[in-house]
Formats: sequence, structure tokens, C-alpha cells
Amino acid sequence: GDSVTQMEGPVTLSEEAFLTINCTYTATGYPSLFWYVQYPGEGLQLLLKATKADDKGSNKGFEATYRKETTSFHLEKGSVQVSDSAVYFCALKKAAGNKLTFGGGTRVLVKP
Amino acid sequence: EAQVTQNPRYLITVTGKKLTVTCSQNMNHEYMSWYRQDPGLGLRQIYYSMNVEVTDKGDVPEGYKVSRKEKRNFPLILESPSPNQTSLYFCASSRGDRGRNEQYFGPGTRLTVT
Repeated sequence: GDSVTQMEGPVTLSEEAFLTINCTYTATGYPSLFWYVQYPGEGLQLLLKATKADDKGSNKGFEATYRKETTSFHLEKGSVQVSDSAVYFCALKKAAGNKLTFGGGTRVLVKP
Repeated sequence: EAQVTQNPRYLITVTGKKLTVTCSQNMNHEYMSWYRQDPGLGLRQIYYSMNVEVTDKGDVPEGYKVSRKEKRNFPLILESPSPNQTSLYFCASSRGDRGRNEQYFGPGTRLTVT
């Protein structure tokens, strides 16, 4: 079946450091890919998405590129802030359905 | 404001005492879903509904029931809760046409079963 694997955390960074969270997927066909962010005590919010190969999703300084050849969707940000401390989830959705398949989540802690 | 609401936000209960977690959305979405979040496992789908009176099992449906009598509401029912259902639960909704639509999540319900 479909699956998403992302790097385990926690990832601890200093402010203004570069952030990368790796995400790879296994799925048939051409899924859409998503990054969701969960701030402490809150629900999930969509951070960015890409719906086809080579698409780049971007939002709030975060970027991720849909790489079909490596089945990856790594999340990057060039200069993190304390307010980026959260749990990040990579997810996929098949074109034929609404179900999201999530990775295990990566907790990011940014220190001043 | 477009939103998904859940109640209660926090609940502590005992084994076997029936409970219901409510979920409501104000976006006229056809699709609604319940997930549970457990450490290291991400979110796993419990049940989903494509529209009123149409529900189906997700990946981890055992011990749960749902109903969809109205488009805006999708309650999650635990008839006889057990400690392994201690978890963080999220309701989500989206438009019914498939594939690329964003899912909107509620704030979560943290359930503890003792």
C-alpha cells in the first residue's frame, strides 16, 4: 500500500539556520504531495503542496519540490525562526480519492 | 470564518463508558474524515464520509463508529472505549471532488481512557 517516510526528530536548530526535512513516498500512479504543520496545541495546517512531478510548492519561506524520479518531497527553509518550531508532516493523496496518507511527523525546535 | 470545530477538546474517561466526539464544518464540504494521531505513527484514518449517509472504514476503524445524518456534522462514537484508544483525534473536511483539494483540520480532541 501507499506509505510516506520522513526523518525522525526532534530536529534542533539555532535561529537563522537552514532546515531540511526529508520525505520519501511509495505509491502507485501520480499522487499529490503535501506538507502540513502542527503548532503546539493546534490542529494541522496546510503549509504547501505540489500536484505533479517537478512542481515546487512554497509558502512562508518553505519550499519543496516533487521529485518523481527519487519519489521525494523534501522540505527546506533557508533561515528558520523561533516561530517555526512545530511538528511537520509529509503526506500524499491519490488522484482517485480524498484520503491523506501521512508520515510519522518531524518535530522541529528552533532556539534563539 | 471557515472552520472545522470539535468538541470536547479534552476528555478523560473510563474503560467501557460510551462517548461521542462531535465534529462540525461550515464550508459545505462533502467529504469528512476522522484521524487519530499517535507518536511516531503520524495520522491514521479511522473513518470517512463522502456525503450524507455515505460512510466507509479507513485504516484503523476497530472500536469506532460514525454517522453522517447532516452534511455539516460527522460525530465519532466510541461505544466501549479502551485504553488503547487513548490518542489525539482530528476531524477533517474537504470538497468532494477528488485528488488535489486541501483538507481542513479541526483543533483536535485529546482523549484519555483509564
